[in-house]
Amino acid sequence: NAGVTQTPKFRVLKTGQSMTLLCAQDMNHEYMYWYRQDPGMGLRLIHYSVGEGTTAKGEVPDGYNVSRLKKQNFLLGLESAAPSQTSVYFCASSYDRRGILDTQYFGPGTRLTVL
Amino acid sequence: QQQVKQSPQSLIVQKGGISIINCAYENTAFDYFPWYQQFPGKGPALLIAIRPDVSEKKEGRFTISFNKSAKQFSLHIMDSQPGDSATYFCAASGDDKIIFGKGTRLHILP
Repeated sequence: NAGVTQTPKFRVLKTGQSMTLLCAQDMNHEYMYWYRQDPGMGLRLIHYSVGEGTTAKGEVPDGYNVSRLKKQNFLLGLESAAPSQTSVYFCASSYDRRGILDTQYFGPGTRLTVL
Repeated sequence: QQQVKQSPQSLIVQKGGISIINCAYENTAFDYFPWYQQFPGKGPALLIAIRPDVSEKKEGRFTISFNKSAKQFSLHIMDSQPGDSATYFCAASGDDKIIFGKGTRLHILP
């Protein structure tokens, strides 16, 4: 099992450009999440999904969109990147249908720099 | 009401000593309290977690102490080792929310 994988690992964008981050999990988990991690800020939830075809807003959703067309994949999109979106992005997944009360398994992260 | 306050920001402990990290939450709807460990360049990984129906949970050298009335919980690392050097995050979740603390960078001196 690869667990949770993220592509790409690194990316540099110019202000106004768009991009999509891909997260994939092979554990048949129902729930998937996107976080951003900034120095001194901990992890902040951007969006999450409780199952295929569903998405919900987290703590800091503005400027991001997500899609969950397949159970194993969760995409995070930036339509018009801004320097404030420079961060490390982590995807996570969890199995339990009770929701986000269960163990989350994190991917290795994507380091994004917006110039 | 959504904050989870974690302290200290950084901690240096001698090998063999006890490392203690504290967290406090505000939302009484939170009912699951995990701790995650993160090494540089890696994603966080679950270390240990507790639910509020118990006051303490121990797994090896790691112990969570939970005080429901004070809305506080802490991580104790006994016999701290250089391999424990990492960033530790507490979290609180419930009511379809999860909030992480800002993290504690722990360094164990050899």
